[in-house]
Amino acid sequence: GESVGLHLPTLSVQEGDNSIINCAYSNSASDYFIWYKQESGKGPQFIIDIRSNMDKRQGQRVTVLLNKTVKHLSLQIAATQPGDSAVYFCAEKSGGSYIPTFGRGTSLIVHP
Amino acid sequence: DAGVIQSPRHEVTEMGQEVTLRCKPISGHNSLFWYRQTMMRGLELLIYFNNNVPIDDSGMPEDRFSAKMPNASFSTLKIQPSEPRDSAVYFCASSSYNEQFFGPGTRLTVL
Repeated sequence: GESVGLHLPTLSVQEGDNSIINCAYSNSASDYFIWYKQESGKGPQFIIDIRSNMDKRQGQRVTVLLNKTVKHLSLQIAATQPGDSAVYFCAEKSGGSYIPTFGRGTSLIVHP
Repeated sequence: DAGVIQSPRHEVTEMGQEVTLRCKPISGHNSLFWYRQTMMRGLELLIYFNNNVPIDDSGMPEDRFSAKMPNASFSTLKIQPSEPRDSAVYFCASSSYNEQFFGPGTRLTVL
């Protein structure tokens, strides 16, 4: 899996804007992808998932897009709110494995 | 459901002491994971249990670390002796298939 360096990528947005958080993965055999949100002082929390037979999946204010050709995953958050401020992780699994590989987190900062 | 329960939430100890972290997974989940999170290395998988059996412990840093799962509702992660570089947040997570549910973590500080 990927390693996380000392400095997390940071996305800074204004309240009400739409946010897009990106994630690249390397394993072409990955067939299941998950986005997690980790607020300060808490454990990661599941947001949304998508299987490799889909390109897009929508939840409440969130949309995940999967581009298998370039091995790219994105999380879109509509009308971003201060409560969305957190670190967001993507994770991938392949072939029925129970062990996900977590990607590098992205810190989202929402300014009121 | 109370979710994954971890104790203690915070632990401060001195180098050389034994530390035991505890986890109660969500009832009915058959997989349990221990992770360590630091700013330098991010979220690292230490060990994975399935049906109480350790399946993958390749992430356990060294022999000072050990984990047990005596039954489906309890697991421990032990560090003996502890060292300052073990300072981190340790998470337990459980799952029944795909989605992992994480506990609140134990923040360990080794002085």
